[in-house]
Amino acid sequence: DAGVTQSPTHLIKTRGQHVTLRCSPISGHKSVSWYQQVLGQGPQFIFQYYEKEERGRGNFPDRFSARQFPNYSSELNVNALLLGDSALYLCASSLDATVLGYTFGSGTRLTVV
Amino acid sequence: LAKTTQPISMDSYEGQEVNITCSHNNIATNDYITWYQQFPSQGPRFIIQGYKTKVTNEVASLFIPADRKSSTLSLPRVSLSDTAVYYCLVGDHSNYQLIWGAGTKLIIKP
Repeated sequence: DAGVTQSPTHLIKTRGQHVTLRCSPISGHKSVSWYQQVLGQGPQFIFQYYEKEERGRGNFPDRFSARQFPNYSSELNVNALLLGDSALYLCASSLDATVLGYTFGSGTRLTVV
Repeated sequence: LAKTTQPISMDSYEGQEVNITCSHNNIATNDYITWYQQFPSQGPRFIIQGYKTKVTNEVASLFIPADRKSSTLSLPRVSLSDTAVYYCLVGDHSNYQLIWGAGTKLIIKP
C-alpha cells in the first residue's frame, strides 16, 4: 500500500512567486492536514480538510490557502512567497477527522531565495 | 489544547534502555497522549498512544501515572538508528490540530 505521497520533494522559488504543493493521502483516508516545519522546530498546523471541507485553520496569513479534491488529494498554495516561508511542508492523512491517527508524508522542502 | 514540556536533548548508548519524560500538567479528561519519532528531512512517524497506565507495542512502552500529568516513553535496547527527534503530544478526538513542541533530540552513541 502506498503511504502519503507529496510532490515535489524539493522546490526552489524566488521571493514574490507562487507555489503549489500536492498531497495524496493513504487510500481510504478522507482527512488531510498540512503542517509547516521550520528547521529545529516542531511542525506548525496550517490547515485540516475533511470530506473536502476546511475543518480548521492555523495562525497563518491569507497568502496560504488549500483545497481538497473529490478523490481526497489536496493542494497547498502559497502566494507572494517570503524568505520566511522556507520550510519543510508536511501533509498528514487520517481515516476520519480525528488527528490522533495521523500518517505523515516525507514532505516538500521549499526554499525561497 | 494542553501544552507539553520535554527535555531538549538526551544522549545514550547502544543497547541501553532510554526513557523520555513529558510533562502535560493541563491535560484534559478526554485527551490522549501520543508520541512521534522524526528523522531529518522526513515526516514524523507514529510510535505509540495511550490514555492511562501502561501501553506496550513492538517498538516502545508508554507509562502514564494515575494523575496523567506526565508520561514516559521507554525505548528498550536502543540502537544507532533510534537517533531522532521524539515528540510528545496531547489531544482528543475533537481537536482538528495538535500543538507540537520542539521535541527531544535523542542521540545514541556506539
